[in-house]
Amino acid sequence: GAVVSQHPSRVICKSGTSVKIECRSLDFQATTMFWYRQFPKKSLMLMATSNEGSKATYEQGVEKDKFLINHASLTLSTLTVTSAHPEDSSFYICSASRQADTEAFFGQGTRLTVV
Amino acid sequence: AQKVTQAQTEISVVEKEDVTLDCVYETRDTTYYLFWYKQPPSGELVFLIRRNSFDEQNEISGRYSWNFQKSTSSFNFTITASQVVDSAVYFCALSERENTGGFKTIFGAGTRLFVKA
Repeated sequence: GAVVSQHPSRVICKSGTSVKIECRSLDFQATTMFWYRQFPKKSLMLMATSNEGSKATYEQGVEKDKFLINHASLTLSTLTVTSAHPEDSSFYICSASRQADTEAFFGQGTRLTVV
Repeated sequence: AQKVTQAQTEISVVEKEDVTLDCVYETRDTTYYLFWYKQPPSGELVFLIRRNSFDEQNEISGRYSWNFQKSTSSFNFTITASQVVDSAVYFCALSERENTGGFKTIFGAGTRLFVKA
């Protein structure tokens, strides 16, 4: 299957700083990428959908100024957690699909810890 | 609105037992996709199966089988002769077309499966 790489896999940052997470489709062009957040022992909550070249669509309750999403190319989407706080600590997972109605492939996830 | 219900929070079985994980979904659309993913303790999501709404054929892949019943809006997953390595959280997911034309995928709460030796 297609490969989606997420980087970094783990990151620890200080409260108040910003951290960027990258999601790359390695062997296909992804018109659509999705960002999910997963709290410990909980399900994946969709945060936003990003389409290449356009603004991301955020789910209700997700602060778009807090979680900046950029999908500048067909192979890269980034999620920047701005002014991180300990409550932002979570597992963030991206997925990418070639077309809107096809299977999405998931990255390995990024575990963010804000101290 | 989309909804995926996995009523079983945790299931514990002994190795070699068969186990069925339930998934019930709600959707207004006639075109949708259903998925099962496995999340082992390491955290990554492993794709298991994708089913579109027009294909109700049941599928078997090794020890895994899936029963898709549109009449009851269910997409249940059975592991036959379970093994310790099957211990993981299993997520059922539903992908439905939005007004924008794209598909949005939501996940059920997950079922944590413990397989004891």
